[in-house]
Amino acid sequence: AQSVSQHNHHVILSEAASLELGCNYSYGGTVNLFWYVQYPGQHLQLLLKYFSGDPLVKGIKGFEAEFIKSKFSFNLRKPSVQWSDTAEYFCAVKRSGGYNKLIFGAGTRLAVHP
Amino acid sequence: EAGVAQSPRYKIIEKRQSVAFWCNPISGHATLYWYQQILGQGPKLLIQFQNNGVVDDSQLPKDRFSAERLKGVDSTLKIQPAKLEDSAVYLCASSPQVNVPGNTIYFGEGSWLTVV
Repeated sequence: AQSVSQHNHHVILSEAASLELGCNYSYGGTVNLFWYVQYPGQHLQLLLKYFSGDPLVKGIKGFEAEFIKSKFSFNLRKPSVQWSDTAEYFCAVKRSGGYNKLIFGAGTRLAVHP
Repeated sequence: EAGVAQSPRYKIIEKRQSVAFWCNPISGHATLYWYQQILGQGPKLLIQFQNNGVVDDSQLPKDRFSAERLKGVDSTLKIQPAKLEDSAVYLCASSPQVNVPGNTIYFGEGSWLTVV
């Protein structure tokens, strides 16, 4: 069965530190990949997505992610985090085409200290 | 553009009672989803509608959960009778079409259920 693994459940950083959150998935075919963010008290929002083309995807608020097909990975990065990035981050994968469902990882809670 | 609307936002019920959640998707979105998010876990798809038809309900506990989208617009999710392990956030989401590459799913704020 298709699955998504997020390596870190909790990450604590100081402002201006660099961020990398790992995401690996298990499906070998063509996939669409997503990172969603959930700020405290708010709904899930799309941060960025990959479905084809350039494997380096840029999203909102300075985030980017790189799709490495050979490693089944889609890691999220940001060069310099801010206190306002404190949130929970979810990686999600969907098999391309049809009615295939969006499968989420367990999430990574990021706390950024001033 | 208005987002996905859900109600109620919070509900506390006793086990064996029933509860219903309502969702109104973004206008024009053909696909509607109900997800369950248990504390500490990622959202899990319960049921997916395309217009008013079900396309995936493989993870819906059908002995106690039911959902409908009669007119292809808003939807209700019902739990009867509730169990303690049903305590979770129930997320409704919608997307324009299902077969568009890179199709984005938009989420509502969720309905928080506590079963005591």
